[in-house]
Amino acid sequence: KQEVTQIPAALSVPEGENLVLNCSFTDSAIYNLQWFRQDPGKGLTSLLLIQSSQREQTSGRLNASLDKSSGRSTLYIAASQPGDSATYLCAAPYSGGGADGLTFGKGTHLIIQP
Amino acid sequence: GAVVSQHPSWVICKSGTSVKIECRSLDFQATTMFWYRQFPKQSLMLMATSNEGSKATYEQGVEKDKFLINHASLTLSTLTVTSAHPEDSSFYICSASRVAGQGFGSPLHFGNGTRLTVT
Repeated sequence: KQEVTQIPAALSVPEGENLVLNCSFTDSAIYNLQWFRQDPGKGLTSLLLIQSSQREQTSGRLNASLDKSSGRSTLYIAASQPGDSATYLCAAPYSGGGADGLTFGKGTHLIIQP
Repeated sequence: GAVVSQHPSWVICKSGTSVKIECRSLDFQATTMFWYRQFPKQSLMLMATSNEGSKATYEQGVEKDKFLINHASLTLSTLTVTSAHPEDSSFYICSASRVAGQGFGSPLHFGNGTRLTVT
């Protein structure tokens, strides 16, 4: 059974800082890994999808890396802005590689101070 | 881009009543949709996998007779919470994949969720 852990659970930093969110998963037989953003009381916004054959993906100020062998992924946010404040979720395939749903971490609650 | 619409966005119902939540893929066909539940300050937990034209697959611990799932078309899946109780109050979110199966590398698209409060 896939298990996903995210560290830290919460993070508060001043605007402009670069920061790293960490995600680890137990079953490395995955096709891909996704990072999402969730605003309070809202649904999910997909940020980045990393295929198992890739080591990283970039979108704007976001960069996600994937190391399958160690079961880790990181989300790097450059030049953070108050609008980045949200909960960031890491998710890996539920059964570790099949065409199934996702197992989510509990998320990192991020606050960017103006 | 792909859009998944979920309705209603919030609902308040009395204990013992049933509530239906709809999940629609607006610009693509989804043979598979997923239903998740999120309790406060907890992660999303997969409840069931909804397959068009066949019975849903429920995760361990999820009562199939309580959470009825119907996936009658390639663009619509519904989740009905029957005889709702206060402990069913939660945030329910659906997702759909553009192609058949996450394993093909297609990202899952999520609805905006439904906040259910049972009084």
